Amino acid sequence: GENVEQHPSTLSVQEGDSAVIKCTYSDSASNYFPWYKQELGKRPQLIIDIRSNVGEKKDQRIAVTLNKTAKHFSLHITETQPEDSAVYFCAGGATNKLIFGTGTLLAVQP
Amino acid sequence: NAGVTQTPKFRVLKTGQSMTLLCAQDMNHEYMYWYRQDPGMGLRLIHYSVGEGTTAKGEVPDGYNVSRLKKQNFLLGLESAAPSQTSVYFCASSGGVRAYEQYFGPGTRLTVT
Repeated sequence: GENVEQHPSTLSVQEGDSAVIKCTYSDSASNYFPWYKQELGKRPQLIIDIRSNVGEKKDQRIAVTLNKTAKHFSLHITETQPEDSAVYFCAGGATNKLIFGTGTLLAVQP
Repeated sequence: NAGVTQTPKFRVLKTGQSMTLLCAQDMNHEYMYWYRQDPGMGLRLIHYSVGEGTTAKGEVPDGYNVSRLKKQNFLLGLESAAPSQTSVYFCASSGGVRAYEQYFGPGTRLTVT
C-alpha cells in the first residue's frame, strides 16, 4: 500500500547548525508534500509545503526539496534555534488524503 | 475564528463502552478528517469526508464510525471501545483556495482500560 518513510527518527544538533530530515514515498500519484511541526502536547502545525510541479521552496530558515524521479523530499532548517526543538512530520498524498511519516524528534542544543 | 475545535479534551473509557468525539470547524471547509496518533506511528487516517453527507474510509477505519450531517461538524464514534483504541485523536479540516492545507484541532486523549 501507500507508504511514507521518514529518517532519522531522532536528530540532535547544536544551535546555529543545520538540520536535514528526509522522506521517501511510494505512491507515484502523490502530488502534495507538507511538513508539520508538533510541540509536546500540541497539535501539528503546517510549516511548509510543496507541490509536485515545484522542485524547491524556501521560507526564511526553512526549505523543502522534492525529487519526483527518486520519490523523495527533504526538509532543511538552517541556523537552528532552541525553539525549533519539536517533532517534525512529513506527509505525502494526492487530493485530500495524506499519508504521514513516523516523525523526527529534533533537539537543538543551546 | 476558533478554527478547529474538539470535544472532549480527555476521556477514560472502560472496555466495551461507547462514545462520540465531536469536531467542529468555523472556516467553511469542505473536507474534514479524523486521525489517530500513537507513539512512533505518526498520524494515521481513520475516516475522512469530502463534503456534507459523505464519508470515506482511511488507513485504519476498523472499530470506528463517522457522520457528517452538518458541514461544520464531523463526529467520530466508537461503538465498543477496546484498549487498542487508546490514543490521541486529532481532527483536521481543509478547503477554500488552499484546499490541500489541513488545519488540526487540539486533540482528544482517550484511554481505554
